[in-house]
Amino acid sequence: KQEVTQIPAALSVPEGENLVLNCSFTDSAIYNLQWFRQDPGKGLTSLLLIQSSQREQTSGRLNASLDKSSGRSTLYIAASQPGDSATYLCAVVLSGGYNKLIFGAGTRLAVHP
Amino acid sequence: NAGVMQNPRHLVRRRGQEARLRCSPMKGHSHVYWYRQLPEEGLKFMVYLQKENIIDESGMPKERFSAEFPKEGPSILRIQQVVRGDSAAYFCASSPFTAAPLPDTQYFGPGTRLTVL
Repeated sequence: KQEVTQIPAALSVPEGENLVLNCSFTDSAIYNLQWFRQDPGKGLTSLLLIQSSQREQTSGRLNASLDKSSGRSTLYIAASQPGDSATYLCAVVLSGGYNKLIFGAGTRLAVHP
Repeated sequence: NAGVMQNPRHLVRRRGQEARLRCSPMKGHSHVYWYRQLPEEGLKFMVYLQKENIIDESGMPKERFSAEFPKEGPSILRIQQVVRGDSAAYFCASSPFTAAPLPDTQYFGPGTRLTVL
């Protein structure tokens, strides 16, 4: 059974820091991995999607890497800003199955001025 | 192109009542997914539907819960005889039809927050 774990559960940093959020999954037979952002009381916004054949994806100050063999992904946020404060969720889709996302519990990020 | 729409955004029910949650996918999307988020937890998959078909309901509780996605109109998640443990945020996501083995990005709605008194 696929399990997705995110570390740390919560993170508080001063503005301007570069930070890394970690995601691990137990079954390496994944189709893709996605990072989402969730703001309080709101829905999810897709940040980056990495196909199983890819190693990383970049969007602005965000960079996500994927190491399928070790079952790990990291989300790197450069020069953090207070507007980055949110919960970040990692989710995988298993190969050979339907397109259902299996989520981690998330990392709650607070960036203070 | 409007995003995924869900209504109501907030729903309060007393124990034993029925809850009906609606989801309108993005225009042109024929795949709908429902997820549940309990307080302080990640989202958990419930059901995957295409028009008029339930494809995967492996995450749905066996009793009291049902889902449909009719040919016309929104997808409906129905919870009968609600209990306090059903209090959660219910999210709907949609993705477009594609000839690829699996569709990619799912687009999420804002969710319906169900509170059972």
